Amino acid sequence: NAGVTQTPKFQVLKTGQSMTLQCAQDMNHEYMSWYRQDPGMGLRLIHYSVGAGITDQGEVPNGYNVSRSTTEDFPLRLLSAAPSQTSVYFCASKTYRGKPTEAFFGQGTRLTVV
Amino acid sequence: GESVGLHLPTLSVQEGDNSIINCAYSNSASDYFIWYKQESGKGPQFIIDIRSNMDKRQGQRVTVLLNKTVKHLSLQIAATQPGDSAVYFCAETPTDSWGKLQFGAGTQVVVTP
Repeated sequence: NAGVTQTPKFQVLKTGQSMTLQCAQDMNHEYMSWYRQDPGMGLRLIHYSVGAGITDQGEVPNGYNVSRSTTEDFPLRLLSAAPSQTSVYFCASKTYRGKPTEAFFGQGTRLTVV
Repeated sequence: GESVGLHLPTLSVQEGDNSIINCAYSNSASDYFIWYKQESGKGPQFIIDIRSNMDKRQGQRVTVLLNKTVKHLSLQIAATQPGDSAVYFCAETPTDSWGKLQFGAGTQVVVTP
């Protein structure tokens, strides 16, 4: 059982470039979300989705887009990368069949914008 | 503005001792309070949660205490092992949004032999 899979694991972008961080889960979880983790600041919610076709903004959505066309996939798009988006990005999923507290996280994508 | 807390608080614990990790929370209107563990190079992993109407909950080698009067949450790890070395995050779930998790800054736990 793969759980939550994120690709790529590492990425270097130039300022202004765009890219998509991929996230897939095989647990049939309804709820998926993206977080960014910066040193000493914990995880901050970027965008989330409560089901296919439904997305909403989190705490720090500016500069990022998401879509949820299937239950399994929740890609995060950086529209025009900026150095301030250098961070580690985590995708997570959870299910309404369980408690709202237990999210399953991917291994993360370390993004550097130069 | 300047970021604060760039350096994680660190708790150094001798192997076999008990660890106590503390967290102050700000949102009184939360349904659950949770602890996550993040090992180096990995994503966070759920450890234990406690509902807001409880003050203590025990798991395997871990106990979570909730003091709503002073808005304080703690995680106690019994007989700390080298595998417990990680960053520990407290988190909470707001009552007005089922899925959202609000994370604290984290505490680095280092287990020494």
